[in-house]
Order: sequence, then C-alpha cells, then structure tokens
Amino acid sequence: GENVEQHPSTLSVQEGDSAVIKCTYSDSASNYFPWYKQELGKRPQLIIDIRSNVGEKKDQRIAVTLNKTAKHFSLHITETQPEDSAVYFCASQVAGGSYIPTFGRGTSLIVHP
Amino acid sequence: NAGVTQTPKFQVLKTGQSMTLQCAQDMNHEYMSWYRQDPGMGLRLIHYSVGAGITDQGEVPNGYNVSRSTTEDFPLRLLSAAPSQTSVYFCASSYGENTEAFFGQGTRLTVV
Repeated sequence: GENVEQHPSTLSVQEGDSAVIKCTYSDSASNYFPWYKQELGKRPQLIIDIRSNVGEKKDQRIAVTLNKTAKHFSLHITETQPEDSAVYFCASQVAGGSYIPTFGRGTSLIVHP
Repeated sequence: NAGVTQTPKFQVLKTGQSMTLQCAQDMNHEYMSWYRQDPGMGLRLIHYSVGAGITDQGEVPNGYNVSRSTTEDFPLRLLSAAPSQTSVYFCASSYGENTEAFFGQGTRLTVV
C-alpha cells in the first residue's frame, strides 16, 4: 500500500521566518495531496491541497509544491506567526483506489514570538 | 450542518470491557474512516467504508470492528479493550476522489 514519509518531526522557528515541511510518497498512482493543520486538542482541518496536474499552489502565506517525478511534495509557510504553531500532516490519495487518505506522521511546528 | 459528529469525547474503560464509538455525518458522504492518533505515529487507519454495506480493513484493524448500515453512521466497536488501545480516535468522511476529509472532534480513550 501507499507509504507517506514526512520530515521533520519537529520544527522550531522565530516569528517572521519561513517554515518548510517535506513529504514523500511511494505509489506513483497517487494524484491528490492535501495538507491538514491540527491545533492542540482540536481536529485536523484542511489548509491547502494540490492535484497531480499542478506543480504549485499558493494561498496567502502558505504554498505547496509537487514533484511527481521525484514523488515528493512540500508545504511552505512564509512570515510565520505564533498562531501557525500546530501539528501539520501531509497526506496522499491513490487514483482508482479507496480514496481514503494515507497520512504522514506529522510535523510539530513551533513559532517563537 | 453539523458535519461529522463523534461521541463520546472522553472515555475510560477497564481492560476487557467493550464499547462503541459513534460517528455520524450529515453531508451525504460515501467515504468514511476511523483513525487512531498516537504521539509520533500520526494518523493510522483502522477501518474504512466506501459506501453503505461496504467496509474494509486499514493499517491497524486488530481489536476493532465496524459496520455501515446507513450512509450517515459508521460506529467503531472495541471488542475487548486493552491498554494498547489507549489513544485519540478520529472519524472522518469525504465525497471521495480528490476531496478533503472532514474530521469529527475526536474521542480520547483511556484503557486501564
């Protein structure tokens, strides 16, 4: 089955810095790559997603890039703020499969004021 | 819309007890799933369903049962609780291909 690796497991930055979280996937048939943010004690919620026919997508301070050849995708957060502190999960979905996402292990992002 | 509703929010069980975690969604989603979240392990898939009457195993199914008699409901049953099942459980639903998953608020289960 699909395997998603996520790095780093913990990321500590100063407010205003950029943060990058990287994920790799194993199944070349994967075609949908969502990112979820989970604040402490809350449920995961989608923040951005990308489909395999797109190389990059931006939404204000966050962006996601996808390299299908290398089977990796990344989340970029610019001008980080303390409220960006959370656990971030990448995920992938396999086309023609169960359409149930496979998640990475998560990255705990800490933004220091 | 309520979205995805999970009950209970907290539960303490004794080893060997059984219980059912409830999950209901009002978005007419065909795809539903159960995950457990443990520190450093991310969200691991327990069981999932692609429609009423259809269920399948995920990555960590042992000790759990599911059924899907209606589109709205997808309960998770712990047959004989063990301390290793202490975790936070999330139910999720989606329309399916290339669509986001909506999560319930989670159930924090402690087995003593």
